[in-house]
Amino acid sequence: DVQLVESGGGLVQPGESLRLSCATSEFTFSAYGMNWVRQGPGKGLEWVAYISSGGRTIFYADSVKGRFTLSRDNRKGSLYLQMNSLRADDTAVYYCARSFFFADTPYYSDYWGQGTLVTVSS
Amino acid sequence: DIQLTHSPSFLSASVGDRVTITCRASQDISSYLAWFQQEPGKAPKLLIYAASTLQSGVPSRFSGSGSGTEFTLTISSLQPEDFATYFCQQVKSYPFTFGPGTKVDIK
Repeated sequence: DVQLVESGGGLVQPGESLRLSCATSEFTFSAYGMNWVRQGPGKGLEWVAYISSGGRTIFYADSVKGRFTLSRDNRKGSLYLQMNSLRADDTAVYYCARSFFFADTPYYSDYWGQGTLVTVSS
Repeated sequence: DIQLTHSPSFLSASVGDRVTITCRASQDISSYLAWFQQEPGKAPKLLIYAASTLQSGVPSRFSGSGSGTEFTLTISSLQPEDFATYFCQQVKSYPFTFGPGTKVDIK
């Protein structure tokens, strides 16, 4: 079965940094785009960022642009989210999700990890 | 950015009921819409993509329809495991926004 396992979450103070990882298995990682989606406590889902299979195309939500950096290592089957200048409103469970191609778009997400909690608080 | 709204935001229903949830987009997104189910404390699960295509392994009591700006998710006969929150997401253009969700609760 396809597996996505996030790690790296934790408690940090405002202004600090954190690096999330998503380790994958049981599929050809290099053939799929990937996303990060977050969910604040008691809130809905917020798409954060997308990276294409080869890493050449990257999109960010305005709320994280300039602070977060998305990258991937296709040899290791891993996805990363470097989060800098963290704010209280970045507090959320962060999910990585695999994207798949259907018709003329590669942006639907099928498999999701279990999430990792990031708490930004002083 | 494309905004998505749900109606209703909360729905109380009984096992066996037919349930319909509506998702409206602030602009034409053709059929670039997905539906997810999320149980408390769990990751979202893809139900429908391209507005009406059932994801593999999802029971056939779930169906999706619509295009342009109005979409529906229908559960033909609500089962105990269907009590959850449902979200739509547009993938027409980034940011790939989600709707605020519809919580389906037990009557």
